[in-house]
Amino acid sequence: KQEVTQIPAALSVPEGENLVLNCSFTDSAIYNLQWFRQDPGKGLTSLLLIQSSQREQTSGRLNASLDKSSGRSTLYIAASQPGDSATYLCAVRGLTGGGNKLTFGTGTQLKVEL
Amino acid sequence: DADVTQTPRNRITKTGKRIMLECSQTKGHDRMYWYRQDPGLGLRLIYYSFDVKDINKGEISDGYSVSRQAQAKFSLSLESAIPNQTALYFCATSDPGLAKDTDTQYFGPGTRLTVL
Repeated sequence: KQEVTQIPAALSVPEGENLVLNCSFTDSAIYNLQWFRQDPGKGLTSLLLIQSSQREQTSGRLNASLDKSSGRSTLYIAASQPGDSATYLCAVRGLTGGGNKLTFGTGTQLKVEL
Repeated sequence: DADVTQTPRNRITKTGKRIMLECSQTKGHDRMYWYRQDPGLGLRLIYYSFDVKDINKGEISDGYSVSRQAQAKFSLSLESAIPNQTALYFCATSDPGLAKDTDTQYFGPGTRLTVL
């Protein structure tokens, strides 16, 4: 059974700092890995999706990496801003089980302070 | 307007009551999903539907049922609510199209359900 772990559970940083969020998964047989942002009352928003054959994806100040063999992904946020404050979730889509099943981590709650 | 809407947004009910949560989407997607989110457990899949005639159980379907009334509507029912069904419920949609390896899911804003 796939298990996804995110460390740390919470993080507080000053504005402008670069930061890294970590995600690890136990079964490397995956189609892809996604990073989501969750804002209170607004559901989840997909930030980046990395195919199993890819090593990284970039979007603006965000860069996500994937090391499938070691079961790890990182989300790098450059020059953090207060608007980046949210909970960040990673989710993996497995090769087996059907249904486009995503297994989610429990998230990292990020607070960027002025 | 939001592409994926959920009603109600908040609901408080009592043990034993029947509750229906509704999801509507304007994205034209065939695939729809229901998840619940609990503190410390992440999101878990309850049911999913790949088209109007296709309904499948997810990992935690016990105590829940669903109805796919149309391509755009997918409802989740709790036939007899119990306190451990208190959670945040999310609906999601997706459409792989030609990109079957991505099939990004788009989430609604969530329904916060409290069962007393």
